[in-house]
Amino acid sequence: QVQLVESGGGLVKPGGSLRLSCAASGFTFSDYYMSWVRQAPEKGLQWVSYISTTGNIIYYVDSVKGRFTISRDNAKNSLYLQMNSLSAEDTAVYYCARVGRRDGYNLHAFDIWGQGTMVTVSS
Amino acid sequence: DIVMTQSPDSLAVSLGERATINCKSSQSVLYSSNNKNYLAWYQQKPGQPPKLLIYWASTRESGVPDRFSGSGSGTDFTLTISSLQAEDVAVYYCQQFYTTSYSFGQGTKLEIK
Repeated sequence: QVQLVESGGGLVKPGGSLRLSCAASGFTFSDYYMSWVRQAPEKGLQWVSYISTTGNIIYYVDSVKGRFTISRDNAKNSLYLQMNSLSAEDTAVYYCARVGRRDGYNLHAFDIWGQGTMVTVSS
Repeated sequence: DIVMTQSPDSLAVSLGERATINCKSSQSVLYSSNNKNYLAWYQQKPGQPPKLLIYWASTRESGVPDRFSGSGSGTDFTLTISSLQAEDVAVYYCQQFYTTSYSFGQGTKLEIK
């Protein structure tokens, strides 16, 4: 079935780095735009980053620009988020999400979400 | 950046009654070239990832019960649950996909009265 599985979360000290991965299965990964969305404990959802099918179009929320890098490997059906210079404000569950498509049209919504991976930034 | 504001922050509704959640964007999310509103609604239950309910403001995602409906255009949108069921207890979020901030509303917590 269609599935996204995140990994790579954990406890990291302020200023440290972490690389998140998202393994896609059950669909043609290279056909879909992908994103990362995070949710701080007991807080709402915040979109983090977006990447086009080939990786030539990339966007970030202002708070992570210059620190986070999104990438993808279509041959490995995988999405990544390299996170550097982490601070306590980056503590959150990080979700991998697919931008939906129907009949060739972009749904402009996230139709498939992973279960998330927890990132805790603390000394 | 577009700011999405939901109201109310929390809502308690009796089983079988109607629940209405509002979402207002700080600028229009209507894409004029195709007349589609780039506005989605999600449901998130505790310990679970969000689930897509509605896209393009009013198109129900496949498999979503027809008691869920979305309406509105431009800057003002509404998610309506026509007859609340116990399994609808959740936090609901709107999200704009018009600009690359892809911002979410703050969420509305729906409970049973």
